[in-house]
Amino acid sequence: EAGVAQSPRYKIIEKRQSVAFWCNPISGHATLYWYQQILGQGPKLLIQFQNNGVVDDSQLPKDRFSAERLKGVDSTLKIQPAKLEDSAVYLCASSSIRGQETQYFGPGTRLLVL
Amino acid sequence: GDSVTQMEGPVTLSEEAFLTINCTYTATGYPSLFWYVQYPGEGLQLLLKATKADDKGSNKGFEATYRKETTSFHLEKGSVQVSDSAVYFCARGGQAGTALIFGKGTTLSVSS
Repeated sequence: EAGVAQSPRYKIIEKRQSVAFWCNPISGHATLYWYQQILGQGPKLLIQFQNNGVVDDSQLPKDRFSAERLKGVDSTLKIQPAKLEDSAVYLCASSSIRGQETQYFGPGTRLLVL
Repeated sequence: GDSVTQMEGPVTLSEEAFLTINCTYTATGYPSLFWYVQYPGEGLQLLLKATKADDKGSNKGFEATYRKETTSFHLEKGSVQVSDSAVYFCARGGQAGTALIFGKGTTLSVSS
């Protein structure tokens, strides 16, 4: 079974530029999560999708971050414009919806904003 | 609010030493509890989990027991190896599909 795929793996941009990250979850997983992991901290949820609907985006800085999951499969997270403090690893995870299910993580995209 | 607290690192051990990484949580109800491991340059991998009180999760020689009375889920291994060097994250979940809440992570370094 293929795992969660993410691209790109690394990205360096200057502040005020825009950037987009892509995630393809494990086949059949209805729930998709984007987490932000700042160096030295644990991952923090940015947004959670159930199929193509948003379940929780309370921690998403909506003035600059946006995310979509149009067909209920893969997802894109965008930052526009980027700030220095957005430098982090962006992790995508997916889970099925039955019971207390485990979340499976992709390798992450490491973003550096200069 | 709900949170997860784990011991500060780094933890430095010699090969074959005993490992304990403490983790406590606050939550309403009885969430599932997880330990994830992150090897250098890689994403998070599930190490073990427990879904109810007194459950013991185990994998690759690591163990953790869900202690409701002390709201803890400490990670233990009897004999660590150099290959266990990584960052370990304790996390709690909730009902189906609820996002995980992570601790800050504990870096383990094992030398031969």
